[in-house]
Order: sequence, then C-alpha cells, then structure tokens
Amino acid sequence: QKEVEQNSGPLSVPEGAIASLNCTYSDRGSQSFFWYRQYSGKSPELIMFIYSNGDKEDGRFTAQLNKASQYVSLLIRDSQPSDSATYLCAVNGRELIFGTGTRLQVFP
Amino acid sequence: KAGVTQTPRYLIKTRGQQVTLSCSPISGHRSVSWYQQTPGQGLQFLFEYFSETQRNKGNFPGRFSGRQFSNSRSEMNVSTLELGDSALYLCASSFRQGKSQETQYFGPGTRLLVL
Repeated sequence: QKEVEQNSGPLSVPEGAIASLNCTYSDRGSQSFFWYRQYSGKSPELIMFIYSNGDKEDGRFTAQLNKASQYVSLLIRDSQPSDSATYLCAVNGRELIFGTGTRLQVFP
Repeated sequence: KAGVTQTPRYLIKTRGQQVTLSCSPISGHRSVSWYQQTPGQGLQFLFEYFSETQRNKGNFPGRFSGRQFSNSRSEMNVSTLELGDSALYLCASSFRQGKSQETQYFGPGTRLLVL
C-alpha cells in the first residue's frame, strides 16, 4: 500500500515567521511531488511541484525534496494570516496519492 | 483560460437514489480524474479517464462509475446512494502527455449530502 504521511497539525506560527510543512512517502519509485493548499470549504489549489532532488523556490514558497530519505517539505517564508489553510502533499504513482494534510494557522 | 468547472455545486439526495455529477476540464486537457474527499478519509482517488477510456481505478465499489466524452467532459455516477457517500467530489484535469503524471488542476467540487 503506497502511503503519503503528513502531520495533521495544527501547526501554529506567528505572522512573519517561517512555516515548515513535512511529508514522507513510501514508494521509492515516485517521480513527481506536489503541494496543494486547501481553504476550508474550497477545492485544492496547486502551490508547487518538484521533480528533482534539492530546493525549488517560488516567491515565499520553497519546496525541498530528498528522494534518498523519501521526504518532501514546503517552507513558507514571511507567513501571513491568509496562509492559514490545510496543505496537502501529493505523490505520483499510477495516480496521485494524497496525504491527509497539515492544518496551518498563522496568528497576527 | 477557464478553469475546471463542475456541476452541480451542491446536491441533496436520499438513500437508494442515484446521482450524476459533471466535470468540464480546462480547454486542451484530455485527462480527468475524480476524487472523493471526506473529513475522515481525506482525498481518495476514484478513477481517471483519458481519451474516453478509463485508465485507472481506485478502490471503490462498483456503484461508482464514470465516463468521458469525446470533448473530454466527464461524468461520474453513483447508484444506490448510501449515507457514507456524503462527501465533496472533486474533479481534476491535466494534459496527460505520455505516461508521466502531470500537474492536476481541481474544480470547485460538488458537495453531496445523502439523507
């Protein structure tokens, strides 16, 4: 059974801090990794994808991938209250396999 | 470019009834995947269609079915509804070039309540 694990949280950080969200996956053959953000009552919205080991930056977001450790993370710099949402990690297989998400709370 | 659209957005049904949900992918996208999202189980994969063919299927009973039309629009059907089918049903589209898993873009979802 291919699995994607995330800490459900909530992860609480003050405004302006760095939020670090983590995800581990079981299928060593996975090639593509995605982070989605989901606000309450809304559908998932793609934030970033990463295919290669290392870091990928996009604005305030940085995705980090370590295939040897089967670990992918998302860093959010200068966190804002509007970043408060559930963050879903997804890993490709024959289909996208999602973690259950980490709820992030950014307080002023 | 318009995003993924789903209709209806909300639906209330009673046990034993059937329901059909519709999804129109992003223009040019040929793959449509369906997911069920519940608070307890998270996002669960239902099936994927590409060029009118079901390419992959998740672990759901046969009451859940789908199809895709030549214009890439897709429908999913749930027959003999059960209370546990109450969920947010999400459709996602991607270009699906070759066999590699590409980025999927989600529609707003259909929230189904079974009474």
